[in-house]
Amino acid sequence: AQTVTQSQPEMSVQEAETVTLSCTYDTSENNYYLFWYKQPPSRQMILVIRQEAYKQQNATENRFSVNFQKAAKSFSLKISDSQLGDTAMYFCAFMKHGGYRTDNDMRFGAGTRLTVKP
Amino acid sequence: GAVVSQHPSWVICKSGTSVKIECRSLDFQATTMFWYRQFPKQSLMLMATSNEGSKATYEQGVEKDKFLINHASLTLSTLTVTSAHPEDSSFYICSAAFGGPGTINEQFFGPGTRLTVL
Repeated sequence: AQTVTQSQPEMSVQEAETVTLSCTYDTSENNYYLFWYKQPPSRQMILVIRQEAYKQQNATENRFSVNFQKAAKSFSLKISDSQLGDTAMYFCAFMKHGGYRTDNDMRFGAGTRLTVKP
Repeated sequence: GAVVSQHPSWVICKSGTSVKIECRSLDFQATTMFWYRQFPKQSLMLMATSNEGSKATYEQGVEKDKFLINHASLTLSTLTVTSAHPEDSSFYICSAAFGGPGTINEQFFGPGTRLTVL
């Protein structure tokens, strides 16, 4: 079974500063996807960034980037130039690669509550 | 991007009654839909996975007779909480995915439904 661990229940950062959220996972799969989702107070899950395990290059999306270490099973999220609107819960998630399969579900970490302070 | 809706967004019911929650993919055909439950300040926990035209696959510990899932078409899945009790009060989130073998690489989340059982 896949497990996802986020060891930082809460973090805070000053506006415009950089913060890194950590995530580790455990799997015997070789091909899979990793995600970071943002859940603001509205509770709508918003995809922040996605990484495909077979790609060595770290994914980036504007101010968001990841440090994907496959051998170490680590997938951290770096938020640069933090903004007040980044305040939210952040979930790391794992999904097996594949199409028609009943175990193609997403497994989530416990989440990290990030607060950006003015 | 792909849009998923849920209805209702919020429902209050009396203990012992049944409640139906709809999940619709608005601009794509969802071969697979997932149902998650999220308790306050906790992560998303997968309840079941449903493929169109097939019986849902439930996670261990989720009562299939209590949480009835119907994936009748490629754009609609429903979750019915039967004989609801206060402990069923939670935030229910659906997600949808599309694609053939080897092409599912993301899930698209609905906005969630808050269920309160009195």
